[in-house]
Amino acid sequence: DIQMTQSPSSLSASVGDRVTITCQASQDISNYLNWYQQKPGKAPKLLIYDASNLETGVPSRFSGSGSGTDFTFTISSLQPEDIATYYCQQYDNLPPGGITFGQGTRLEIK
Amino acid sequence: QVQLQESGPGLVKPSETLSLTCTVSGGSISSYYWSWIRQPPGKGLEWIGYIYYSGSTNYNPSLKSRVTISVDTSKNQFSLKLSSVTAADTAVYYCARVPIVVVTAIIPSGAFDIWGQGTMVTVSS
Repeated sequence: DIQMTQSPSSLSASVGDRVTITCQASQDISNYLNWYQQKPGKAPKLLIYDASNLETGVPSRFSGSGSGTDFTFTISSLQPEDIATYYCQQYDNLPPGGITFGQGTRLEIK
Repeated sequence: QVQLQESGPGLVKPSETLSLTCTVSGGSISSYYWSWIRQPPGKGLEWIGYIYYSGSTNYNPSLKSRVTISVDTSKNQFSLKLSSVTAADTAVYYCARVPIVVVTAIIPSGAFDIWGQGTMVTVSS
């Protein structure tokens, strides 16, 4: 199984700050990496797919980069509504094709 | 727009089978993969498995021996059965849509682009 190591596990930042979350895969996953935002009591929401593609309707302050084993998720200017837990998720397109999530990063306002 | 709604018992006894259904509204179940994901209270997300509308499936190896996902295209629904449940299976269960990608074959894109609201299932006697 491919393991995903996400860091930090929690993060406190101020409105307007640039925020960065990283995710490392235990083996090369090309660009098969997605990012989600989950607010308390709600289902996750897809923000970034295939490492760097912004899902339709998602604000441009969110971005993703990376390939292979190392990936980065960035919020360019933190807004109060961005308070949530963020998850990376990899998918393996080769059979048998597994899916695993990172442990999550809880983002709080300082 | 497409919406997903989970339904099923909120309480299941240990050793019994958990059964949930996801109803797809506002669009067809055809030409997509459909998935189940769960989240224990206060913990992270765990993928359970997915099914293509034609019926082909892929399961999380850690749950494979206990999981069955099926689809009913006539009702625009897909379902989850998880057998021999224990307290460790207590979680919010989500259903989600997975768009396809056509390369040399039709494969799941790997991204969960639409989610249901989730349903809490507690395993307890």
